[in-house]
Amino acid sequence: DAGVTQSPTHLIKTRGQQVTLRCSPKSGHDTVSWYQQALGQGPQFIFQYYEEEERQRGNFPDRFSGHQFPNYSSELNVNALLLGDSALYLCASSLARGSQPQHFGDGTRLSIL
Amino acid sequence: GEDVEQSLFLSVREGDSSVINCTYTDSSSTYLYWYKQEPGAGLQLLTYIFSNMDMKQDQRLTVLLNKKDKHLSLRIADTQTGDSAIYFCAESMVGQAGTALIFGKGTTLSVSS
Repeated sequence: DAGVTQSPTHLIKTRGQQVTLRCSPKSGHDTVSWYQQALGQGPQFIFQYYEEEERQRGNFPDRFSGHQFPNYSSELNVNALLLGDSALYLCASSLARGSQPQHFGDGTRLSIL
Repeated sequence: GEDVEQSLFLSVREGDSSVINCTYTDSSSTYLYWYKQEPGAGLQLLTYIFSNMDMKQDQRLTVLLNKKDKHLSLRIADTQTGDSAIYFCAESMVGQAGTALIFGKGTTLSVSS
């Protein structure tokens, strides 16, 4: 039973560029959430997708956008990258019904030069 | 606003019990979680407790919840060197259509032999 998978594992970009990160949820899960974890901090909620729509959003600018596909996989897009966007980006999946816990992938380490 | 606080560091000897503490602010949280993060990895769900429970035990792990004081603790019995990691407490924030996790900054557990 595959868990949450994310790609790529590492990425290096320069300021002003755009990036797309990908996530495949755990088998059977229909909800995907994205989190940003800066060095030495806890994860911060970016947004959550269910039925291909953004259902809830944290305190992140519009430069951060996402998408969920019919197979429940998801993408996180970040435009006009800033040095402060350097972080570990974590994807979590869950079942919408019954307040099921969120299961995390290993993340994508994004470095901005 | 929402805020989850944890002590930053705990050091124990192998075989001792470890107790990691957490305070949260939102009394309406339905579930409270403990996650473990090893170096270079994502978050591993350890256990979670529903807000109307006082205690939950799962093998070496015991979670205690004091809802009046908004205090959550994780006790690890017979701590092993493999338990060395960062432990995150999280509360669930249920929005209009989704659920975000609010994390503390994490407690680094160091186990010496």
